[in-house]
Amino acid sequence: DIQMTQSPSTLSASVGDRITITCRASQSISNWLAWYQQKPGKAPKLLIYEASSLESGVPSRFSGSGSGTDFTLTISSLQPDDFATYYCQQYYTYPLTFGQGARLDIK
Amino acid sequence: EVQLVESGGGLVKPGGSLRLSCAASGFTFTDYSMNWVRQAPGKGLEWVSSISDSSTYIFYADSVKGRFTISRDNAKKSLYLQMNSLRAEDTALYYCTRKVVAAVSPTPIDYWGQGTLVTVAS
Repeated sequence: DIQMTQSPSTLSASVGDRITITCRASQSISNWLAWYQQKPGKAPKLLIYEASSLESGVPSRFSGSGSGTDFTLTISSLQPDDFATYYCQQYYTYPLTFGQGARLDIK
Repeated sequence: EVQLVESGGGLVKPGGSLRLSCAASGFTFTDYSMNWVRQAPGKGLEWVSSISDSSTYIFYADSVKGRFTISRDNAKKSLYLQMNSLRAEDTALYYCTRKVVAAVSPTPIDYWGQGTLVTVAS
């Protein structure tokens, strides 16, 4: 199985900050990586697919990069609505696997 | 509007069974493979099972293989998860999700239902 490891697990930041969350796969997944945002009590929402493609309707302050085993999610200027938990997921092969999540808190 | 509405969750004793359902609407059901993903209370996301558009291909996580059975009824636009021999560690919110079927390349889960809660306890 492909293991996905996110860092950091928790991040504190302020409105307007630029933040980056990293995700590492235990083997190459090409660019078959998605990022999801989950708010408390809500279902996850797709933000990024194919490592760097922005899902329709997602603000352009979100961006993704990487290929192979190392990936990043960047939020260029944090907005109040962005404080949530973020998960990466590989869909290169079954079993589909998720990172453990990165919780973004308000500083 | 895309909708995935799960039902069938509840409280069940260890060793018991439960059948989850997911009613889909607002999209062409047969254009999508369907999946169950679960989330234990306060924990992360765990993929459980997937079924292809025509039910030809089915996959399970090792943690549920042999105990859970995924199925779909394209005429009813519905997805199911039969869960047998339930354990305390199966306690979670179970999400119904979809992945578009593509001829060549893998595709991500692009939409999630709101989930149905399964609690396994004596």
